[in-house]
Amino acid sequence: QKEVEQNSGPLSVPEGAIASLNCTYSDRGSQSFFWYRQYSGKSPELIMFIYSNGDKEDGRFTAQLNKASQYVSLLIRDSQPSDSATYLCAVITNDMRFGAGTRLTVKP
Amino acid sequence: NAGVMQNPRHLVRRRGQEARLRCSPMKGHSHVYWYRQLPEEGLKFMVYLQKENIIDESGMPKERFSAEFPKEGPSILRIQQVVRGDSAAYFCASSPDRVWREQYFGPGTRLTVT
Repeated sequence: QKEVEQNSGPLSVPEGAIASLNCTYSDRGSQSFFWYRQYSGKSPELIMFIYSNGDKEDGRFTAQLNKASQYVSLLIRDSQPSDSATYLCAVITNDMRFGAGTRLTVKP
Repeated sequence: NAGVMQNPRHLVRRRGQEARLRCSPMKGHSHVYWYRQLPEEGLKFMVYLQKENIIDESGMPKERFSAEFPKEGPSILRIQQVVRGDSAAYFCASSPDRVWREQYFGPGTRLTVT
């Protein structure tokens, strides 16, 4: 089992819809959780971090953490074509482990 | 620009040569992390350093790779006797003065071994 798992996609949503990205992790001791966005050929850009169970909202982005079920998700409301990118989930236990990423395409 | 800086952005080396990648952390950050990303793959942790100390190098290949973060100057990732399989994007990230908090990435160095 991979330490951090994400659906590779591609996930395709129409402009204006909600995009839902999911991530599961294997280590119950994991304490910190991050979502990064990476455009093709560019470096990862931090979008959200969450440390406690529940929801955390920042603009059009909402991160949800459920430690009991060992999953963290990212919702993107009112999706825009500029949101088209690969989204990386990262989890810290002893070090930072990344999922392979989910490729999101938002179609105009 | 107070972000993480990396240079060079692109580096071409022939097999057997040495590659030196540099990273200057964001202002006020004293924790530096190096990652490698192969084409179409995720990021792989390599090493975590603070000034003059290697804290965690569990992701570093045992041979040919080394890293340092001297008291003065940038952090350096050094790859000796490069092979074609070393071709990848190498990203540096930095975080504030707390261990394993949110990390901010530099633009990366794209290494091509011919």
